Amino acid sequence: AQRVTQPEKLLSVFKGAPVELKCNYSYSGSPELFWYVQYSRQRLQLLLRHISRESIKGFTADLNKGETSFHLKKPFAQEEDSAMYYCALKDNTDKLIFGTGTRLQVFP
Amino acid sequence: DVKVTQSSRYLVKRTGEKVFLECVQDMDHENMFWYRQDPGLGLRLIYFSYDVKMKEKGDIPEGYSVSREKKERFSLILESASTNQTSMYLCASSSLGGPSGNTIYFGEGSWLTVV
Repeated sequence: AQRVTQPEKLLSVFKGAPVELKCNYSYSGSPELFWYVQYSRQRLQLLLRHISRESIKGFTADLNKGETSFHLKKPFAQEEDSAMYYCALKDNTDKLIFGTGTRLQVFP
Repeated sequence: DVKVTQSSRYLVKRTGEKVFLECVQDMDHENMFWYRQDPGLGLRLIYFSYDVKMKEKGDIPEGYSVSREKKERFSLILESASTNQTSMYLCASSSLGGPSGNTIYFGEGSWLTVV
């Protein structure tokens, strides 16, 4: 079965601390994975995708096929990073399967 | 800049009413989607469409229907609204290929409250 698991509903850190938002997936085949972010009162938007291997706003995510994980990391969290983060898996029919989301709170 | 526009941001409807949620995209995208967003449940796919007049059921289609008469417009219909359909509804679109292929773009969402 195709599934995305985000085990943490809420992650709270202080400004400047490292952040890791966990994402595990279940998919038979070569996965295409994404991180989406939703800031307060804004639309859901793409943060990064594993294919492009880019760093956006200091965030990175590495696909680990052995552990079936795609964790989102940032070495030094900023207050403006506070948002809802969703990990998503694109299936073979172009649909996105989302995890349940993790709310990141960054305290000053 | 890709624009996905949901015409109604906030709606309050009575139980049993028929509800239309409209979505328009301006990037000539082939794919369009309707998701429902609930706390603790994430985003769940209701229906999607690959082309005009085509539709496919997602994970939670019960109580909903859709219409895609034009490529740019994808409507979600609640035939008889119920209180358990109170939620945030997100429309999205994506292209099949090209530089932004497979990137899904979302609208701002429609908050529906059924009383």
